[in-house]
Amino acid sequence: DAGVIQSPRHEVTEMGQEVTLRCKPISGHNSLFWYRQTMMRGLELLIYFNNNVPIDDSGMPEDRFSAKMPNASFSTLKIQPSEPRDSAVYFCASSLARGGRETQYFGPGTRLLVL
Amino acid sequence: AQSVTQLDSQVPVFEEAPVELRCNYSSSVSVYLFWYVQYPNQGLQLLLKYLSGSTLVKGINGFEAEFNKSQTSFHLRKPSVHISDTAEYFCAVSDRGDYKLSFGAGTTVTVRA
Repeated sequence: DAGVIQSPRHEVTEMGQEVTLRCKPISGHNSLFWYRQTMMRGLELLIYFNNNVPIDDSGMPEDRFSAKMPNASFSTLKIQPSEPRDSAVYFCASSLARGGRETQYFGPGTRLLVL
Repeated sequence: AQSVTQLDSQVPVFEEAPVELRCNYSSSVSVYLFWYVQYPNQGLQLLLKYLSGSTLVKGINGFEAEFNKSQTSFHLRKPSVHISDTAEYFCAVSDRGDYKLSFGAGTTVTVRA
């Protein structure tokens, strides 16, 4: 199995530009999570999908952030417009959700730098 | 939601020495407990998890952890570390029935020869 795939691995953009991060979960997994990792705030859950439906987006920082999961094998996280404070590593993770006992499998992350 | 405290932010250790990473969580309700490891420039991967049963859990790469319900702790140990164990280690907790994982701030382990 290829594991969770994220693209791009690195992204450098200028303030105000739109950024789209992509994720392909492990085949057969029905839960998908987007996390953000920064030195100041650690690992934060941004949004959780179950069976392609957003269940909890309470961690999405503001309206500039949006996430979609059009099918079971693809999800995007979009930032528009981007700001320097969005610079972070963004992880996608997938699991077979059964009340939290299942392991979350993380992708390698997208390192985003907004200038 | 749980809060997770990892008591040491940095742990330097010599090769072949033992290491213990401490983790405490906030609630005594039924929980699932996890330790994840993050190697440089990589995503997190599971070391071990406690779901139920024996309080001593063995994981990959020679790591083990002990669940102590009365002290709400889940400390991670390895009797003899290698250079390749240099990484950041995260403790995580979820309430039973809840999909949400609460992560600690992480402990950076640096193994020196």
